[in-house]
Amino acid sequence: NAGVTQTPKFRVLKTGQSMTLLCAQDMNHEYMYWYRQDPGMGLRLIHYSVGEGTTAKGEVPDGYNVSRLKKQNFLLGLESAAPSQTSVYFCASIDGGGQDTQYFGPGTRLTVL
Amino acid sequence: EDKVVQSPLSLVVHEGDTVTLNCSYEVTNFRSLLWYKQEKKAPTFLFMLTSSGIEKKSGRLSSILDKKELFSILNITATQTGDSAVYLCAIRDDKIIFGKGTRLHILP
Repeated sequence: NAGVTQTPKFRVLKTGQSMTLLCAQDMNHEYMYWYRQDPGMGLRLIHYSVGEGTTAKGEVPDGYNVSRLKKQNFLLGLESAAPSQTSVYFCASIDGGGQDTQYFGPGTRLTVL
Repeated sequence: EDKVVQSPLSLVVHEGDTVTLNCSYEVTNFRSLLWYKQEKKAPTFLFMLTSSGIEKKSGRLSSILDKKELFSILNITATQTGDSAVYLCAIRDDKIIFGKGTRLHILP
């Protein structure tokens, strides 16, 4: 039981490049979330999903897209990376059935030059 | 506007002290309020609170929710250096929205 995993762990991009971050969970959780964390800003919600095939915008969605084609995977895409997207990205999942323990992935450190 | 506000933003105390961390929120309808501890890596879950006035305890940590006054507190008694971390509060509905956190540093 791996919990929540994120790929890759580190990445350096040049401005304008694109990339996809993969989040996978093996707990059959309905809800999945993507956050970014910057110094002094706490965790800010980018996008989230309440089930397979659904996505919704969070607090800071601009510049990001997401997809949830399979229940266990939640992909975060950056179409044209900007230096302002330099951050640590965390994926998380939660059951949705009343047990509100939210499980986090280990994070992806992204630098955009 | 900030929907979840934590205070203080940072706190330095000596080992053995008791600390109280505050979380106030604007949302009136939500499923639960969540507390997390974050050290160098991803946040780890501490408490889930759904009902007003019912204290949750885990060792030296305890937390309570006041739905009338729209706040929650996290208490840590007999603090240890291992309690040094950022403590995060979040409101859960379909979204889970976090406050900016309280950075706690325990001096030996």
